[in-house]
Amino acid sequence: GAGVSQTPSNKVTEKGKYVELRCDPISGHTALYWYRQSLGQGPEFLIYFQGTGAADDSGLPNDRFFAVRPEGSVSTLKIQRTERGDSAVYLCASSMGLAMDTQYFGPGTRLTVL
Amino acid sequence: SQQGEEDPQALSIQEGENATMNCSYKTSINNLQWYRQNSGRGLVHLILIRSNEREKHSGRLRVTLDTSKKSSSLLITASRAADTASYFCATVMIGAQKLVFGQGTRLTINP
Repeated sequence: GAGVSQTPSNKVTEKGKYVELRCDPISGHTALYWYRQSLGQGPEFLIYFQGTGAADDSGLPNDRFFAVRPEGSVSTLKIQRTERGDSAVYLCASSMGLAMDTQYFGPGTRLTVL
Repeated sequence: SQQGEEDPQALSIQEGENATMNCSYKTSINNLQWYRQNSGRGLVHLILIRSNEREKHSGRLRVTLDTSKKSSSLLITASRAADTASYFCATVMIGAQKLVFGQGTRLTINP
């Protein structure tokens, strides 16, 4: 795989439902990041993994949001009891793992909560 | 919360002209990066400038960094219609890994 991939590209769900968003990072990248972007805004950090562990989850807005990366590669962002305010584009990025390294972004998943 | 502010929020110029976008931030940084985004989806990395660097070039792009003023600028020379996009600056603070983005500048290049 050449770049970061995310599935699905679009997800429409109803308020209160549970959703999972998937990210496949660039092969060999140890660091993986999740960001959320609302319309007209810049992306906002959610969580960062170094390998399998969440090194920084300070951006998760509340306990309805959870992310895993069990084998240090693919990551899943999980949102419980979705609310209309969760509607946004969820972006995933990966890097070689150092602060100086470029983060390469996927195309994003557009989540719409009705 | 977002660290940076970008100026202007929107910029419209004629093809062939130069475009300059500015970014200010609040805390000490490890590096500053500029990204381009088309149609509100994937971000494309343009250039990274480290805190000990003052200027960097990449093709038609020139980035400057003034850490004393906590500001950066992105210059796109000889603009093309394909440069139409939103441009974001993002900082990596010392001791951190995450990117903190500004709100972006929407650039429109008119043919």
